[in-house]
Amino acid sequence: DADVTQTPRNRITKTGKRIMLECSQTKGHDRMYWYRQDPGLGLRLIYYSFDVKDINKGEISDGYSVSRQAQAKFSLSLESAIPNQTALYFCATSDTSGLVNEQFFGPGTRLTVL
Amino acid sequence: AQKITQTQPGMFVQEKEAVTLDCTYDTSDPSYGLFWYKQPSSGEMIFLIYQGSYDQQNATEGRYSLNFQKARKSANLVISASQLGDSAMYFCAMSVNYNQGGKLIFGQGTELSVKP
Repeated sequence: DADVTQTPRNRITKTGKRIMLECSQTKGHDRMYWYRQDPGLGLRLIYYSFDVKDINKGEISDGYSVSRQAQAKFSLSLESAIPNQTALYFCATSDTSGLVNEQFFGPGTRLTVL
Repeated sequence: AQKITQTQPGMFVQEKEAVTLDCTYDTSDPSYGLFWYKQPSSGEMIFLIYQGSYDQQNATEGRYSLNFQKARKSANLVISASQLGDSAMYFCAMSVNYNQGGKLIFGQGTELSVKP
C-alpha cells in the first residue's frame, strides 16, 4: 500500500464550485505539505503543517484553505474554484527526527476547473 | 532571496552515455539541503538523491551522483549509463529554515530524453 495517498486522483469541476482534495499518510510523519505544479513553473508551496495545531501559509495560499484533521490527514479546499487553479496538486510528508527533511510525495491530483 | 535555477529546459542523451543536469541555488542560510526528484510522465515525484550543506563528500546513489560545488552554489545531477527509463522531468530542490517548516523550493525542471 502507498504511504501517501491522495483522493481524488483526477477531478473536473466548474468555476465557482467548492472542491476538497484529501491526503492521508501512514508514515507517521508530523509535517505535511500541499504543493501545486504548473507547466514550466516547478512545484510551489500552498500550505504546510507541523502538526494538527500548527498550519502555515506557503507562497501561494490565496484562494485555498486547509484542514489538518489528524496527524495522518491533511485536506486542501478550494472554496470557489477558478480556471487558473487548474493544476497538478501534490501532498507531501516529512519526518522531524532528522535534518534531511526528505519529503515523500503522494501520487498527485490532477484538477481541471472549467 | 532563496532560489533554485535550472537553466536547461530540455536535454537529450544517447542511451548508455552519462548526462549532467545543472542546478544552481541561492540562499544565505548556512544550513540547507539539496535534493533531486524525478517525475516520469505518469506524474509521481520520485526522490533520487540528497546533499547536505555540511557534507564533505558528494552524494551518490547507484547511477546518480550529485556534483556539489559549494563555493559556486551548484548542485548538478550526474546520471551515468543512461537508460531509456531515465526519460523524465528532473527537479532540483532546496530545503532551508528547517525549524521554520523545512519547505522545499523547486527549480523549474529539466526534461531529459534518452535516445536509443
